Amino acid sequence: NAGVTQTPKFQVLKTGQSMTLQCAQDMNHNSMYWYRQDPGMGLRLIYYSASEGTTDKGEVPNGYNVSRLNKREFSLRLESAAPSQTSVYFCASSETDYYGYTFGSGTRLTVV
Amino acid sequence: AQSVTQPDIHITVSEGASLELRCNYSYGATPYLFWYVQSPGQGLQLLLKYFSGDTLVQGIKGFEAEFKRSQSSFNLRKPSVHWSDAAEYFCAVLDRGSTLGRLYFGRGTQLTVWP
Repeated sequence: NAGVTQTPKFQVLKTGQSMTLQCAQDMNHNSMYWYRQDPGMGLRLIYYSASEGTTDKGEVPNGYNVSRLNKREFSLRLESAAPSQTSVYFCASSETDYYGYTFGSGTRLTVV
Repeated sequence: AQSVTQPDIHITVSEGASLELRCNYSYGATPYLFWYVQSPGQGLQLLLKYFSGDTLVQGIKGFEAEFKRSQSSFNLRKPSVHWSDAAEYFCAVLDRGSTLGRLYFGRGTQLTVWP
């Protein structure tokens, strides 16, 4: 099925460890996004990529880095995980303004 | 600056009852507005969207929403709620001023449905 695929679905890290969250879409969308979702906070934009080769900071970029590897893939890296980064992370993609976003099913990350 | 407010954090309704979820937005021009639903453990699914034209828009799963410019509102409604509608609902506004088309989300409304 076409859509946005995120891996892994669950992850537990120790403080200070690093990891990369993977995201791939097969809809040929230009724009991709990383959000984090915390209880009572809604979705907050971490980073986004308007097109292959470009990335920009969103509302809460500190502690994260991203790579737009190609048009399909947009990864999110935590270089030194902190408990404050415990969250559910969603990747999304979009083509134009008119269709909204297509979301992945999320990665639930716990940092202990 | 653009923003979305969902005044109700949690709503409980009985199955078969009607539902209205509130959404107020702040945006300088004509907004593009969206409602998404998130079932437990899932990603967000688009319910409906408003761009222009008829202010009452129909979506999937029997939902509708009405755009009221004078009240800066885009409330979501359903005439008869089903137990499977229990989920979290997010309203969002598109920032058309940016080339990216970035969405700003409200904090969500959690819907509980009593049998």
